Amino acid sequence: DSGVTQTPKHLITATGQRVTLRCSPRSGDLSVYWYQQSLDQGLQFLIQYYNGEERAKGNILERFSAQQFPDLHSELNLSSLELGDSALYFCASSPKGLAGAYEQYFGPGTRLTVT
Amino acid sequence: DAKTTQPPSMDCAEGRAANLPCNHSTISGNEYVYWYRQIHSQGPQYIIHGLKNNETNEMASLIITEDRKSSTLILPHATLRDTAVYYCIVRVLGMNYGGSQGNLIFGKGTKLSVKP
Repeated sequence: DSGVTQTPKHLITATGQRVTLRCSPRSGDLSVYWYQQSLDQGLQFLIQYYNGEERAKGNILERFSAQQFPDLHSELNLSSLELGDSALYFCASSPKGLAGAYEQYFGPGTRLTVT
Repeated sequence: DAKTTQPPSMDCAEGRAANLPCNHSTISGNEYVYWYRQIHSQGPQYIIHGLKNNETNEMASLIITEDRKSSTLILPHATLRDTAVYYCIVRVLGMNYGGSQGNLIFGKGTKLSVKP
């Protein structure tokens, strides 16, 4: 158990819909990262937040957005869903301090299926 | 960031040491080597990281060559539960943590199959 929690575990929705994925980082971790894993693309970085502020963006579509709240939990919003958005979505958090930037702890993921 | 090259797959007998190689010939002086693994569809798991000295923790050992162009992750006594995809990642450590971009860049990794 990494200490990172993600809800829901599974999500099935239709094309064109909007969903929200939730992540709670490990206690005390200020950074939250979102990754997408699809069969053909592998693990892809989407976005990073640090203490409520966006810190880095990867290959995140404009239809996707995220935020980190004052209690440090984060939400990833996916809208106008397409079949190709079906994937595993992972959240990770990393410890505070200079030495921890790439020592990331991943949650169990949310499996999104768009039909 | 330096690119890494790993064999796509490896087999290992249960109870034997698993030695997973990684080539990072373009690594620069301030880049660390990180290893993660992903057991089928679970979230990736941090294993170990190092700069130039060999490192050991409760999970594995990391051996980095003197010229730092390659490294080997060693699982000393592989079990069936070590069957996973292992990722070698090279990244610069952010000097300003608050401003650093800490995202990991995953390649295809090595699929390790531990067999009874």
